[in-house]
Amino acid sequence: QSALTQPASVSGSPGQSITVSCTGTSSDVGGYNYVSWYQQHPGKAPKLMIYEVSNRPSGVSNRFSGSKSGNTASLTISGLQAEDEADYYCSSYTSSSTLYIFGTGTKVTVL
Amino acid sequence: EVQLLESGGGLVQPGGSLRLSCAASGFTFNNYAMSWVRQAPGKGLEWVSAISGSGDDTYYAYSVKGRFTISRDNSKNTLYLQMNSLRAEDTAVYFCAKDRPGAIDYWGQGTLVTVSS
Repeated sequence: QSALTQPASVSGSPGQSITVSCTGTSSDVGGYNYVSWYQQHPGKAPKLMIYEVSNRPSGVSNRFSGSKSGNTASLTISGLQAEDEADYYCSSYTSSSTLYIFGTGTKVTVL
Repeated sequence: EVQLLESGGGLVQPGGSLRLSCAASGFTFNNYAMSWVRQAPGKGLEWVSAISGSGDDTYYAYSVKGRFTISRDNSKNTLYLQMNSLRAEDTAVYFCAKDRPGAIDYWGQGTLVTVSS
């Protein structure tokens, strides 16, 4: 099963808003509200930023928000800060026997 | 505080075997499903396997099905991944992870597995 499709890179200036997309199919992103987003800094473990499409875990800044429309989920980072520069991965539950699938990953650069 | 500590990684020859362990603390281990996720050098995340809290249900990525076995010992708060018939493409950092419905909410720091002759 192929990975969910994300843009390879997205960039923005400090203070701006950016959006990272995550496209799947009706068997994963479009079929369930179990889309999550992870932030990964170089050499570090991933960190959960969004779960169940739009929910933020305790401690995650409200500058991070998630949404979904059809087979595409989105992560928006508002008020971009230097510390937001990292790789971001989406993930979805899938109806296949594999259970979960990750996105291809997006490198967010703060200009 | 949730802590996940992986061990067992290392260098192994193609066709060889390795068993990873993950010691969990800071939560009621048998109440939560657990997963293994890997990341090849310079590549993205790949979900590998998951197991229910009781251990009765297991799930595998197509790339490892039939070669890897996930298990857990709830009396020891420990998760395992037995990896057989290893291939060069299995080279990766393997992360132990705690599941919440539809997501992974805690990750270990990872253990490196290198498959090479």
